[in-house]
Amino acid sequence: DTGVSQNPRHKITKRGQNVTFRCDPISEHNRLYWYRQTLGQGPEFLTYFQNEAQLEKSRLLSDRFSAERPKGSFSTLEIQRTEQGDSAMYLCASSLGGFTGELFFGEGSRLTVL
Amino acid sequence: SQQGEEDPQALSIQEGENATMNCSYKTSINNLQWYRQNSGRGLVHLILIRSNEREKHSGRLRVTLDTSKKSSSLLITASRAADTASYFCATEGSWGKLQFGAGTQVVVTP
Repeated sequence: DTGVSQNPRHKITKRGQNVTFRCDPISEHNRLYWYRQTLGQGPEFLTYFQNEAQLEKSRLLSDRFSAERPKGSFSTLEIQRTEQGDSAMYLCASSLGGFTGELFFGEGSRLTVL
Repeated sequence: SQQGEEDPQALSIQEGENATMNCSYKTSINNLQWYRQNSGRGLVHLILIRSNEREKHSGRLRVTLDTSKKSSSLLITASRAADTASYFCATEGSWGKLQFGAGTQVVVTP
């Protein structure tokens, strides 16, 4: 499978626990994006990377959220001390970069915080 | 915050009819893209139109862009039940960051 892969697909956790999501982009893509989507809404930008460099992080993200992309390959999104409001679908996408890029999305990781 | 706003929020049509949805945005863009999302799935890219283009076609899809009005439209001709999905516009501004609207939910009944 040469598409964008996200794991786990579903995560149920208790409030206060930490969770980590992983995204494996398409191998030749140097841009990687994280979005959050709640029911009935469009994807909300969280952060994105050009290779290993994190170019921008949404001001809406609290300090409990952190993302990394070591060596410019896969990326992880960690949420510390989860809250019920963190329940959402977390979408990862990758692109070739530049100003021409369509994004290729993974199937998402659905987080439920109890 | 989301850059684009789609209109209508929901659209219900019968197979064979055309579906039109609109997107308005606020700031200058490099390009505008349309994506489709089936329930519970990831988004799939449909079409990209650059800021210097006014109209683009891809199969049964037709997209227009009016940068003076900061608006775009997506037309799906001869709709099929398989077109049932949510459709999102996304604008690319500086540095390649894509911002999505809230989407139009389209239901096509046989």
